[in-house]
Amino acid sequence: QQQVKQSPQSLIVQKGGISIINCAYENTAFDYFPWYQQFPGKGPALLIAIRPDVSEKKEGRFTISFNKSAKQFSLHIMDSQPGDSATYFCAASIVAGKSTFGDGTTLTVKP
Amino acid sequence: NAGVTQTPKFQVLKTGQSMTLQCAQDMNHNSMYWYRQDPGMGLRLIYYSASEGTTDKGEVPNGYNVSRLNKREFSLRLESAAPSQTSVYFCASSVGQISSGANVLTFGAGSRLTVL
Repeated sequence: QQQVKQSPQSLIVQKGGISIINCAYENTAFDYFPWYQQFPGKGPALLIAIRPDVSEKKEGRFTISFNKSAKQFSLHIMDSQPGDSATYFCAASIVAGKSTFGDGTTLTVKP
Repeated sequence: NAGVTQTPKFQVLKTGQSMTLQCAQDMNHNSMYWYRQDPGMGLRLIYYSASEGTTDKGEVPNGYNVSRLNKREFSLRLESAAPSQTSVYFCASSVGQISSGANVLTFGAGSRLTVL
């Protein structure tokens, strides 16, 4: 049973557009929801994260929206740039516990 | 700080050969993890070590063994490599305590393994 489902698998956006990646989770005990960004040939790196006591978190052009009742959260990238082209993973975990990852979304931002 | 260091970066094995992937972190983290990444399948947890002296199976442990050598080092061993183990392997670490940032994973650069 996949505990974190991520969509879409791939996404193509024009420069300046908005990129949206969605994730849904099953386990209501999850209480930490990070997004990781991975460039080709590199390991994933934390991009932004949220805890379920808030509905939105913004850091620069990156925003997480969180819907606890629907068990869904999403990453929005405003004013997408070619340098944002990467693979994005959502994840969920219990405090100090191991993380469960979505399958990843490959984002391509066209100039 | 180097963060998480993995060796080797690339390795080609023949079916049945054995090898060990090495991982070391210099952040004084308590927890360490081994993941494999395959196209379209995200990051799947192989084994993890919540603290020095403990190890536990993850989602896909078959065909692998691990050793938490000390607080810094966590190795992954393939005793008899199979083509299905062709993958990119990532080591990661985290603080592993109930505190701010406890669940943040720091990943190494990865080890690309091909089994022929």
